[in-house]
Amino acid sequence: QVTLKESGPALVKPTQTLTLTCTFSGFSLSTDGMRVSWLRQPPGKALEWVARIDWDDDKFYNTSLKTRLTISKDTSKNQVVLTMTNMDPVDTAMYYCARIPSRLGAFDIWGQGTMVTVSS
Amino acid sequence: DIQMTQSPSSLSASVGDRVTITCRASQSISSYLNWYQQKPGKAPKLLIYTTSSLQSGVPSRFSGSGTETYFTLTINNLQPEDFATYYCQQSYSNYRTFGQGTKVEIK
Repeated sequence: QVTLKESGPALVKPTQTLTLTCTFSGFSLSTDGMRVSWLRQPPGKALEWVARIDWDDDKFYNTSLKTRLTISKDTSKNQVVLTMTNMDPVDTAMYYCARIPSRLGAFDIWGQGTMVTVSS
Repeated sequence: DIQMTQSPSSLSASVGDRVTITCRASQSISSYLNWYQQKPGKAPKLLIYTTSSLQSGVPSRFSGSGTETYFTLTINNLQPEDFATYYCQQSYSNYRTFGQGTKVEIK
């Protein structure tokens, strides 16, 4: 059974750095073609893709956020970590991680999400 | 980045209706278009990938079609559990983008 679970702080202050961890099971990020993405959704708004890391350690970032983002993986721990610097209240959102098998090219399994509020 | 535009933003329909949601891409994305369903307080669920392939476990009343820049999601015989928000998403570019969503409400 494939599962993903996000963890991290529920509340961060403006200008702080957010670190989120996606812990997964049931698949390996070492497998050819496997990818994991982070996405987010502000309350009442649409989904937004944030970043992606691939089995071969290729990394891709949302164009409008890329100067603030770093994505990394720890294959031995089955974890993907996202850091986002200089947090702002507009970054308040539900943050999800999701798997992308290359045969689908789509986000087929999602975590439950973790709500992050940016407020002083 | 590729812009995805869905229409309508919301619609009201009755159980048993046929519903069609449209998604347009700002440039050709071939058939690299996926559809998701999201219910309140839940993570999105993959319904259809690469335009028309039904994800495992998804009822056959859901179908997708289209190519290049114009795509549709059709729900036949709308069921109570189908009232939700639907998103299209392109996987043509490494920089994935979503439509703004279409909320399907009960008439």
